[in-house]
Amino acid sequence: DIVMTQSPDSLAVSLGERATINCKSSQSVLYSSNNKNYLAWYQQKPGQPPKLLIYWASTRESGVPDRFSGSGSGTDFTLTISSLQAEDVAVYYCQQYYSTPPFTFGPGTKVDIK
Amino acid sequence: QVQLVESGGGLVKPGGSLRLSCAASGFTFSDYYMSWIRQAPGKGLEWVSYISSSSSYTNYADSVKGRFTISRDNAKNSLYLQMNSLRAEDTAVYYCARSVTTMVRGVIGYWGQGTLVTVSS
Repeated sequence: DIVMTQSPDSLAVSLGERATINCKSSQSVLYSSNNKNYLAWYQQKPGQPPKLLIYWASTRESGVPDRFSGSGSGTDFTLTISSLQAEDVAVYYCQQYYSTPPFTFGPGTKVDIK
Repeated sequence: QVQLVESGGGLVKPGGSLRLSCAASGFTFSDYYMSWIRQAPGKGLEWVSYISSSSSYTNYADSVKGRFTISRDNAKNSLYLQMNSLRAEDTAVYYCARSVTTMVRGVIGYWGQGTLVTVSS
């Protein structure tokens, strides 16, 4: 199974500042035949189900603000919130969908306001 | 709009059984792969099970293999999870989930609100 790790476990960022979350997979999730990274990011606010932010490592889901961006390839990925807003306080999860299901999530990164 | 509504959760004793249901609406249910994903209290997300649009393919997390069975009824726009031999560690909110598109099957685009399963004596 592909194991996903995230860092840091939590971070506190001032409003308007940049937040960066890292995700690492135990093996590459880059599929060579189509050059796509099978990596998604989700946001989960307290008491709510997760919400899809990004897939194919960098494709923003419809309606997601452009302050959210994804980057990386192979085994190392980053979710960046360019200017943190109060409504971005949440736990963020990465997830690989490269291997046969069931797919695996990272342990999550909690983002708070400093 | 897409709606996924879970039901069937509750309190059950260790070793007991429970059947979760998910009523889907707002999209052509038979076109989409569906999943059950769970979240233990205060913990992260675990993908439990996955079923293809025609039910020809299913897969399970090792933690539930042999105990849980996923199924669907496309005529009723419904997804199910039969859970047997329940253990305390199965205690979680169980989410019904739909793939984001018919082609991108491993990404969840829609989630239900979840149903809580508590396994305790």
